[in-house]
Amino acid sequence: EVQLLDSGGGLVQPGGSLRLSCAASGFTFSSYAMSWVRQAPGKGLEWVSSISGRGVNANYADSVKGRFTITRDNSKSILFLQMDSLRTEDTAVYYCAKELRGDYVDWGRGTLVTVSS
Amino acid sequence: EIVLTQSPATLSLSPGERATLSCRASQSVGIYVAWYQQKPGQAPRLLIFDASDRATGIPARFSGSGSGTDFTLTISSLEPEDFAVYYCHQRSIRPPAFGQGTRVE
Repeated sequence: EVQLLDSGGGLVQPGGSLRLSCAASGFTFSSYAMSWVRQAPGKGLEWVSSISGRGVNANYADSVKGRFTITRDNSKSILFLQMDSLRTEDTAVYYCAKELRGDYVDWGRGTLVTVSS
Repeated sequence: EIVLTQSPATLSLSPGERATLSCRASQSVGIYVAWYQQKPGQAPRLLIFDASDRATGIPARFSGSGSGTDFTLTISSLEPEDFAVYYCHQRSIRPPAFGQGTRVE
């Protein structure tokens, strides 16, 4: 059974940093691209970032480019999202998702990031 | 950048009725549209990929159609557990994008 356990969310001040993690199990982690998708309170879904299976290629939404960094540790089956220079508009539930040809076939439960002073 | 526009924003129906949800893309995305269902407090779940293929374990009452710029998700007969928010998503052209959602209530 595929399991994605996202964690690392919390309350942070504007300009601060946070690192999210997503521990994966139940599949060959290195064979799949992974993504982060977020959802602001009461709002819709927004793609944030994706990384290829081997971690060579990464892509970012314009709204986070230059501030967020996606990485992965295939030896431990963990996906990361380093979030720097956080803004109030980054407040959201962040979901990690397993990709298959660009579709999000499995999702974590989400971790809440609140950026507020 | 592709913009996906979903309509209606809210669909008010009763169990047993047919639901028809629309998703229109700002330019052609081929067949590379997926549909997701999200219930309150839960992560989204993939229902349909490549416009019309049901994901594993999705009941046959869910069907998708369309290509190019116009796509439709149909729920043939609403079950109580189908009342949720539905999002379309395109993976054809980067960046990937979601529609704003349709609430079925």
